[in-house]
Amino acid sequence: NAGVTQTPKFRILKIGQSMTLQCTQDMNHNYMYWYRQDPGMGLKLIYYSVGAGITDKGEVPNGYNVSRSTTEDFPLRLELAAPSQTSVYFCASSYLHRDRGLPYRETQYFGPGTRLLVL
Amino acid sequence: LAKTTQPISMDSYEGQEVNITCSHNNIATNDYITWYQQFPSQGPRFIIQGYKTKVTNEVASLFIPADRKSSTLSLPRVSLSDTAVYYCLVGDRASGGSYIPTFGRGTSLIVHP
Repeated sequence: NAGVTQTPKFRILKIGQSMTLQCTQDMNHNYMYWYRQDPGMGLKLIYYSVGAGITDKGEVPNGYNVSRSTTEDFPLRLELAAPSQTSVYFCASSYLHRDRGLPYRETQYFGPGTRLLVL
Repeated sequence: LAKTTQPISMDSYEGQEVNITCSHNNIATNDYITWYQQFPSQGPRFIIQGYKTKVTNEVASLFIPADRKSSTLSLPRVSLSDTAVYYCLVGDRASGGSYIPTFGRGTSLIVHP
C-alpha cells in the first residue's frame, strides 16, 4: 500500500492563479481530510469528506473548494490564490473501528504534504 | 467540542523518560484520546490511542485517569530521533458529523545529547 499520496510536493503560484492539490489513498478509507499548517502552528481543518459525494466545511474553508467523486481521491482547489494561502497542506484519510465493549474510534493517516508559496 | 491544553515545549536528554500531559476537561463519554507525532517537513503520524486506564505499544504508553480529564503520553528512554512535535486529540469522526479535529500547536519536544 502506498497509503496517502499528495501531488505536487512544492508549488509556487502568482496571486490570482488557480491550482488543484491532489490527494489519493489506497486504503479504502471512507473519511478524508484537508488541513493547512502555517509555520510554527498546528494543523487547521479546511474541508473533510465522510464518503464519496459528501463533503463539508472545516474550520478555515474560505478560498478553497473540494470534491469527492471516488473513495480514493479528494482534490483541493484554490481558485484565486492569495499570499495568505501560503502554507503546507496535508491530506489525511481514516476509518472507524471498534473493540468489543468500547466506542468506535478513528486513526488518521497523513500524506507527505504539499508546500505552497503564493507570491 | 472538547478542547485540549498541553505544554508548548519540553526539553529532555537521551535515555530519559519523557511525560507529556494533556488536559481535556470537556471530554465526552464516547471520546477517544489520540496522540500524533510530527517531524519537520512531514505529516503527523499516529502514536497511540486510548479510552481509559493504560495503553502501551512498542513506541509509547498512554495513562488515562479515571475521570478522563487528562492524559499523559510517556516516551521511555528517548533518543535524538524522538525530537518532534506531539499532538493530543480528543474525539473523532465517531463522535458525529460535527466533529472537527483540532490539533492545536502541540508540544515541541527537543531531546539533547
